[in-house]
Amino acid sequence: AQTVTQSQPEMSVQEAETVTLSCTYDTSESDYYLFWYKQPPSRQMILVIRQEAYKQQNATENRFSVNFQKAAKSFSLKISDSQLGDAAMYFCAPLSSNTDKLIFGTGTRLQVFP
Amino acid sequence: DAGVTQSPTHLIKTRGQQVTLRCSPKSGHDTVSWYQQALGQGPQFIFQYYEEEERQRGNFPDRFSGHQFPNYSSELNVNALLLGDSALYLCASSSLQGGVETQYFGPGTRLLVL
Repeated sequence: AQTVTQSQPEMSVQEAETVTLSCTYDTSESDYYLFWYKQPPSRQMILVIRQEAYKQQNATENRFSVNFQKAAKSFSLKISDSQLGDAAMYFCAPLSSNTDKLIFGTGTRLQVFP
Repeated sequence: DAGVTQSPTHLIKTRGQQVTLRCSPKSGHDTVSWYQQALGQGPQFIFQYYEEEERQRGNFPDRFSGHQFPNYSSELNVNALLLGDSALYLCASSSLQGGVETQYFGPGTRLLVL
């Protein structure tokens, strides 16, 4: 079974600075995808970024980028130029192409200070 | 382009009652997945519907059942409600026809069981 560990329950960052959220996962699957979602107080789960495990190149989406280390089963999220609107719970979630279900970690709460 | 919609937004029930939650997928999507998110936790996969059939199921009792309609919308039914069923219920839609695709979430239904 897949498991996901987000070892940082809370993180904080100053506006305009950079922060990295960590995630490790355990899977026996060879074909899978990795996602980061954010969940602000409004509760809506919003896609941040997606990484295909077969791609060596790290995904980037504007100020968001990942550091994907497949052998180490690590998938960290870097947020550059942090903004107040980035404050939210962030969830890491792998998805197996066999089961097509997301397995979520416990989340990291990110606070952004002005 | 309408995103994933869910109704109702909030619901209060008493123990033993039955509840039905509804979800309309994003335009062009044919697959609906349901997740339960208890307070302070990451979402847990309940089940997934594709072509009006339950395709995958998580570790939830038979009190949790679902349905998918020809227009791809879906319902989640919970019978004999327990206090522990109080949670945010999230619906996510995707398209299996295009292979593994990103799941997009609705705003959720907050269920409180008294």
